[in-house]
Amino acid sequence: GAVVSQHPSWVICKSGTSVKIECRSLDFQATTMFWYRQFPKQSLMLMATSNEGSKATYEQGVEKDKFLINHASLTLSTLTVTSAHPEDSSFYICSARDPSGGADTGELFFGEGSRLTVL
Amino acid sequence: GQNIDQPTEMTATEGAIVQINCTYQTSGFNGLFWYQQHAGEAPTFLSYNVLDGLEEKGRFSSFLSRSKGYSYLLLKELQMKDSASYLCASMDSNYQLIWGAGTKLIIKP
Repeated sequence: GAVVSQHPSWVICKSGTSVKIECRSLDFQATTMFWYRQFPKQSLMLMATSNEGSKATYEQGVEKDKFLINHASLTLSTLTVTSAHPEDSSFYICSARDPSGGADTGELFFGEGSRLTVL
Repeated sequence: GQNIDQPTEMTATEGAIVQINCTYQTSGFNGLFWYQQHAGEAPTFLSYNVLDGLEEKGRFSSFLSRSKGYSYLLLKELQMKDSASYLCASMDSNYQLIWGAGTKLIIKP
């Protein structure tokens, strides 16, 4: 089946620094990728929809300038957490839809997730 | 508004059967999904229903009633490895997934 790879799996950084998380579709081209954040014992929260070659669409309440999303190619989207603070510590997950499955099937393939800890 | 409801936590015994219910209210409907998520890992796809009825896939089955806005995930012959959170998600008219908070399933020996 389709594979989505996310890197890094774990990252610890100091407050005020920036962290970049990569999401790659390994065996299909993804025009759209999704970025989620998940706090402990809570469900996935969609942060933004990443569109190849255009600006990301952010959900209400998500700061565009803090969570920079770049979808420069059909197989790579990146999320950069700028000026990270302890409250940004969370599990960040990306997903992509394999277009060969048809847009209406909606099956999403998830990356492994990236656990960010900001000290 | 859009809303997905599912129980927060359930407990079942190894070898038994458990049913996890989900009710949904979304703007339009393009299918109901169930995902499994083990602690600290990303979700994995279990099932997709867009028509009424029961879809069986091995030990797992998923049911949908569109008129009632209701779905359930049925897990048979429970194994310890089935201990996980089960996420219900409804796809709205814009093909966006609306996620439930997940049901944590605890399997006891």
